[in-house]
Amino acid sequence: QSVLTQPPSASGTPGQRVTISCSGTSPNIGSNTVNWYRQVPGTAPKLLMYNDNQRPSGVPDRFSASKSGASASLTISGLQSEDEADFFCAAWDDSLNGPVFGGGTKLTVL
Amino acid sequence: QVQLQESGPGLVKPSQTLSLTCSVSGGSIISGGHYWSWIRQRPGKGLEWIGYIFYRGTTHYNPSLLSRLSISVDTFKNQFSLKLNSVTAADTAVYYCARYVTYSNGWSFDYWGLGALVTVSS
Repeated sequence: QSVLTQPPSASGTPGQRVTISCSGTSPNIGSNTVNWYRQVPGTAPKLLMYNDNQRPSGVPDRFSASKSGASASLTISGLQSEDEADFFCAAWDDSLNGPVFGGGTKLTVL
Repeated sequence: QVQLQESGPGLVKPSQTLSLTCSVSGGSIISGGHYWSWIRQRPGKGLEWIGYIFYRGTTHYNPSLLSRLSISVDTFKNQFSLKLNSVTAADTAVYYCARYVTYSNGWSFDYWGLGALVTVSS
């Protein structure tokens, strides 16, 4: 379905650390930077991370990201109930010559 | 803070043209050298980039939609628009507008609209 592969769901309890993966291929994650977005249903998506691991102003440092080869991951430390949302990754794809996205991961805070 | 808002018909008949407008507030569409983009999410599927436009009119489209797609900009109204013709049920989706920005070694969509659901049905 989506060019980038994410697990459909993830969960954790308050205070825990959760990691969400994003798997791609050479033309996208393997060659270009990754962005992460957060979306609470009914609201606009919000940029969470850009250039693999850079946080925009206002994003707490509980959020971190990394990339290795053609895979990337987003880690949320000190999980809070308000972190519940859908998270999706994106990368430029050299084959498409445009951005591609992951299918999104629904994070539940138990 | 930049805000984007999509508007347009929520129901379009098959074979007709889907038209949406994105109104930008909190900043000028001609400043910053940014691009203005459309993205959609079909039911049960991930996000799909549609295309983007620079305020001077330069466009870049998803090749899969190229033959049916037109994106235009109105700098006086601080808006940009999407037209997708010959629509089918497969074009039913939530359509988002977003600002596309570039960095020294990357890019992102840093501001998004809330999205507009467009259903293609007779």
